[in-house]
Amino acid sequence: EIVLTQSPAITAASLGQKVTITCSASSSVSYMHWYQQKSGTSPKPWIYEISKLASGVPARFSGSGSGTSYSLTISSMEAEDAAIYYCQQWNYPLITFGAGTKLELK
Amino acid sequence: EVKLLESGGGLVQPGGSLKLSCAASGFDFSRYWMSWVRQAPGKGLEWIGEINPDSSTINYTPSLKDKFIISRDNAKNTLYLQMSKVRSEDTALYYCARIHYYGYFAYWGQGTLVTVSA
Repeated sequence: EIVLTQSPAITAASLGQKVTITCSASSSVSYMHWYQQKSGTSPKPWIYEISKLASGVPARFSGSGSGTSYSLTISSMEAEDAAIYYCQQWNYPLITFGAGTKLELK
Repeated sequence: EVKLLESGGGLVQPGGSLKLSCAASGFDFSRYWMSWVRQAPGKGLEWIGEINPDSSTINYTPSLKDKFIISRDNAKNTLYLQMSKVRSEDTALYYCARIHYYGYFAYWGQGTLVTVSA
């Protein structure tokens, strides 16, 4: 089973600040996806297949990576971006999630 | 519009069983892989398993393989999760999700809460 380690676990950013969340896999993964979750709501698809933005996701978000190292980047923090972000890998037949990164507005 | 509506959650005693349902609408249910994901209170997401369109392939996360059974009824556009031998650590919000390519959960339901307690 591939273990995903997200860092940082918690972070805070000011408006306009660049934010990077990383997801490290215990072994090479085939595909990496990201989800955004706000309190009391279901996870929302956010970035899929490493770098493709889900419908409605602002262009200030981007995803990158390969092998065992992946990241989600926000070019300029906005208030609405405060949430928990989860990475998720698919290496058939198993799927695992990272523990999540809580992003707060400073 | 794709809709996934979970139901069947509630209070169940330790060691008991419960069957969750997920009613799908707005898409051709019989063509898609479907999955269950759970989230314990205040915790992260945990993948439970997935089922292919004709139910010939069902994959589970190893730790839950002997406790949970995933099934579907394409005629009823419904996904199921049979839970057995439940323990307090199974207390969680249970989501169903529609899988797009490469294990990507493109649509999620609102979840149904299962509480395991005596």
